[in-house]
Amino acid sequence: GAVVSQHPSRVICKSGTSVKIECRSLDFQATTMFWYRQFPKQSLMLMATSNEGSKATYEQGVEKDKFLINHASLTLSTLTVTSAHPEDSSFYICSARRQGNGYEQYFGPGTRLTVT
Amino acid sequence: ILNVEQSPQSLHVQEGDSTNFTCSFPSSNFYALHWYRWETAKSPEALFVMTLNGDEKKKGRISATLNTKEGYSYLYIKGSQPEDSATYLCAFFRTDKLIFGTGTRLQVFP
Repeated sequence: GAVVSQHPSRVICKSGTSVKIECRSLDFQATTMFWYRQFPKQSLMLMATSNEGSKATYEQGVEKDKFLINHASLTLSTLTVTSAHPEDSSFYICSARRQGNGYEQYFGPGTRLTVT
Repeated sequence: ILNVEQSPQSLHVQEGDSTNFTCSFPSSNFYALHWYRWETAKSPEALFVMTLNGDEKKKGRISATLNTKEGYSYLYIKGSQPEDSATYLCAFFRTDKLIFGTGTRLQVFP
């Protein structure tokens, strides 16, 4: 149990376009989902926390208009990178916390975004 | 700024060797420490959630200890196997968030 999928696993897009990444909890309900970003040789950095049915909470320095997060149901959260630029190229990974399960977070496999 | 440090950055061992690595974290206001194992192209897999000073947890050949007073945790792998090759991440839990270290990349050679 506690499987999280993420789609797509890799995406290449042109500068100025928008890209949507989906994060799904497959066998549990996730009240809270998290979006992380990882630059080469760095740690996973939390971008935002989303709770089902409410607005996401963004970490300092993360532009909420650029990284749109929607958590429309207990099993799906989406991250849309709007008007992507080459500096948005990165590895994005989501995690989900099971309803009533305390601290544990279950991760998706991540999405490699390349903006040309 | 909360810093979570992991050492070494990478490690190469022979099959059968035992190994250990360290995670250092702030010792004040401790709540929980997580260990994850992350194989390439897969999802990070939760290994342990440690909450009490002196905690020792075990899962097969992998075990972890926790010292919250001095702010460190050790992860041990006994008799490493090639399938143990992965990046091992620790994450400090504070104010409902996980703060990750950069990981220790372990490569086990047959």
